[in-house]
Amino acid sequence: DAKTTQPPSMDCAEGRAANLPCNHSTISGNEYVYWYRQIHSQGPQYIIHGLKNNETNEMASLIITEDRKSSTLILPHATLRDTAVYYCIVITGSARQLTFGSGTQLTVLP
Amino acid sequence: DSGVTQTPKHLITATGQRVTLRCSPRSGDLSVYWYQQSLDQGLQFLIQYYNGEERAKGNILERFSAQQFPDLHSELNLSSLELGDSALYFCASSAYAYSGGGNIQYFGAGTRLSVL
Repeated sequence: DAKTTQPPSMDCAEGRAANLPCNHSTISGNEYVYWYRQIHSQGPQYIIHGLKNNETNEMASLIITEDRKSSTLILPHATLRDTAVYYCIVITGSARQLTFGSGTQLTVLP
Repeated sequence: DSGVTQTPKHLITATGQRVTLRCSPRSGDLSVYWYQQSLDQGLQFLIQYYNGEERAKGNILERFSAQQFPDLHSELNLSSLELGDSALYFCASSAYAYSGGGNIQYFGAGTRLSVL
């Protein structure tokens, strides 16, 4: 699975968009980009995933660059409850498990 | 609520003891995964079962074992416990055997194990 690089921490003002970057420059054509988050020792929570196209669901949007070497998770209107560690994970379709890195600690400020 | 149920929520025990952690997957999910999260190691994959069969192994110690029963619930057995086994243990479930390709893992709330 491709290695990912995320900033260790970010702050965002409540009500503003939070843009979390992820670099995955060694991604291969059959690897998916997944985002999970973990709110203070709770179980990780699935957010969104994509292969090539941008994706949007009720929680977030995922923007994948055309060369697929990086992506951005967008929380359109961050709330205090979005404060969490966000994990960007790149895996193939046949991967057996998720490999979590260090993630980005997002702190939403009032 | 993810639909994945883990019991107990907290477990306090002594070194050398044996404990069993239980996981009930989401209705319809055939895969169960176990992860360990300690302060210094982050989230580490331990083992996966699919429809009763072991499918993948991660960094699981020989003192640890798991199984998935016909009703698809799973148990993680930890024996000869050491102080370093103190951690959060998460169970996740998914519909299919593989993690990618749109297969989503849903995590339980975890069991916090404290070994004294």
